[in-house]
Amino acid sequence: EAGVTQSPTHLIKTRGQQATLRCSPISGHTSVYWYQQALGLGLQFLLWYDEGEERNRGNFPPRFSGRQFPNYSSELNVNALELEDSALYLCASSLGTVSGNTIYFGEGSWLTVV
Amino acid sequence: DQQVKQNSPSLSVQEGRISILNCDYTNSMFDYFLWYKKYPAEGPTFLISISSIKDKNEDGRFTVFLNKSAKHLSLHIVPSQPGDSAVYFCAARRYGNKLVFGAGTILRVKS
Repeated sequence: EAGVTQSPTHLIKTRGQQATLRCSPISGHTSVYWYQQALGLGLQFLLWYDEGEERNRGNFPPRFSGRQFPNYSSELNVNALELEDSALYLCASSLGTVSGNTIYFGEGSWLTVV
Repeated sequence: DQQVKQNSPSLSVQEGRISILNCDYTNSMFDYFLWYKKYPAEGPTFLISISSIKDKNEDGRFTVFLNKSAKHLSLHIVPSQPGDSAVYFCAARRYGNKLVFGAGTILRVKS
């Protein structure tokens, strides 16, 4: 069974541009999470979608947005890119919102802003 | 607001010995706890979890202990192997909410 898949693996953008990252959850999973891991930092929560709705968002500016599609895949959009947006962006999925549901991560998308 | 804390940035252990990674939390509403392992340039890999109704869960070389009164959990790896060298993240969640991660602990297992 395929795990969480993310694309692209690497993305290079210039300041001010927009970046779009994509995520396909494990089959049957309805919840998708986005996390940012900047260099030397831990995992910072960005966004959480379940059943197509945004359930929670982390302490990030509105430049960071996303959506979840009817097939539960998700997009993360980062507008007006800044240098400090360079990071590994991780998508994860789980079966719904029940606490006992483990979340599984994809391999991540490396975003470099120059 | 750091609800999940891993106070040791790094830990070095000899191969074959026990590795003990610690995690403290402040939110008494957390009811599910997980440990993830992460190699550089890869996504975190789920290791082991524990529900708040238990105080211990074992899976092979990995055991997680939960002390709810102290709001503390720990991951024991016995015996430690060089391939265990990675960053270990402790995470917690409560019903219907996002997973909150600690800052991670770098484990180095020396052969």
